[in-house]
Amino acid sequence: DAKTTQPNSMESNEEEPVHLPCNHSTISGTDYIHWYRQLPSQGPEYVIHGLTSNVNNRMASLAIAEDRKSSTLILHRATLRDAAVYYCILRPSGGSYIPTFGRGTSLIVHP
Amino acid sequence: NAGVMQNPRHLVRRRGQEARLRCSPMKGHSHVYWYRQLPEEGLKFMVYLQKENIIDESGMPKERFSAEFPKEGPSILRIQQVVRGDSAAYFCASSPGRELTGELFFGEGSRLTVL
Repeated sequence: DAKTTQPNSMESNEEEPVHLPCNHSTISGTDYIHWYRQLPSQGPEYVIHGLTSNVNNRMASLAIAEDRKSSTLILHRATLRDAAVYYCILRPSGGSYIPTFGRGTSLIVHP
Repeated sequence: NAGVMQNPRHLVRRRGQEARLRCSPMKGHSHVYWYRQLPEEGLKFMVYLQKENIIDESGMPKERFSAEFPKEGPSILRIQQVVRGDSAAYFCASSPGRELTGELFFGEGSRLTVL
């Protein structure tokens, strides 16, 4: 699997936007970019994914660099419930694969 | 559509006993993954199964651990002769199969404590 690099931790204030970066310089042309998050004492949950174009859903937005070597998960207004570890993972298209979770980014949200 | 169901949510065992963790995937999902998360650490892949087949068990310890996903019923992760180092959260995830984008759906986890 191609490797991703994320900062260990980030901090934000409540109701402010949060930009969580992920570097994936060895991404292949058919790899999807997936984001998951894990709230304290819970299982990971899928957040969003994309291939080339920016994506929006009810949870977040995903901005993908033109060269696809990096991406940014955007939480438009952080809440205390967004405090979690955020994981960026590359998913080869088609076939079966085994998601590998790194250390992720621990997001701290201050009231 | 119920999510991934894991039970028990909490399990306490004494050293040397057996632990059985169960995972019922989402309806229509035929792929199951098991992960282990030690305290203050990340998720570590253990095993990947499809119905009646182990696809990849490269993350499973060589001894005492086994997994199955029978044609009928939940997937089972079995730990024999547990030791204190087995204390961890064990997460199960499921997916429909060889779909294009392949997001996983996780359960709430089973937390094993070995006394």
